[in-house]
Amino acid sequence: RKEVEQDPGPFNVPEGATVAFNCTYSNSASQSFFWYRQDCRKEPKLLMSVYSSGNEDGRFTAQLNRASQYISLLIRDSKLSDSATYLCVVTVYGGSQGNLIFGKGTKLSVKP
Amino acid sequence: DADVTQTPRNRITKTGKRIMLECSQTKGHDRMYWYRQDPGLGLRLIYYSFDVKDINKGEISDGYSVSRQAQAKFSLSLESAIPNQTALYFCATSDGTGGSYEQYFGPGTRLTVT
Repeated sequence: RKEVEQDPGPFNVPEGATVAFNCTYSNSASQSFFWYRQDCRKEPKLLMSVYSSGNEDGRFTAQLNRASQYISLLIRDSKLSDSATYLCVVTVYGGSQGNLIFGKGTKLSVKP
Repeated sequence: DADVTQTPRNRITKTGKRIMLECSQTKGHDRMYWYRQDPGLGLRLIYYSFDVKDINKGEISDGYSVSRQAQAKFSLSLESAIPNQTALYFCATSDGTGGSYEQYFGPGTRLTVT
């Protein structure tokens, strides 16, 4: 089983749609979780951290289920500018504490 | 000015040549990383450094070496480039203190080995 798994997509949605991305991770000892956004040929940038209680930032909501080792990202009222690849990221446990494991990403395309 | 810079931004080189990719940061972070990204494979860690005297191999270090010249500078070398090292290379930094593991990426270097 891969350490961080995501549906690669692409997700093609119309403007205004709600879209959800899912991610599973294999190491139950992972401590920190993130969603990064990567535009085509650009560097990844932190979108939001993911907390056990769930957290929201405007149109974006992230959820964590430690028991199921599952992370989600919900985007409401999609905008054209949301088109990007979304990377699910978890920390490594142990000697290289703080190192990140990246999923391969889910591509989102928002259409007019 | 960008906090994390990489030079060159694009490079085409021939098989067998030595090439160095450079990374500089003004964030004052101790931790620095080198990744490569290939289509369909995601980001993979090549080397990382938690401070100037600390260098560690990542997932795919074979064929690469690094040098941490100062807190702000971390260079990646390909001693003898081969075509399957064609990829997009990213440098990243993180603070790492207080459980802060967010990484900040440079703009990337697109390397083509012919």
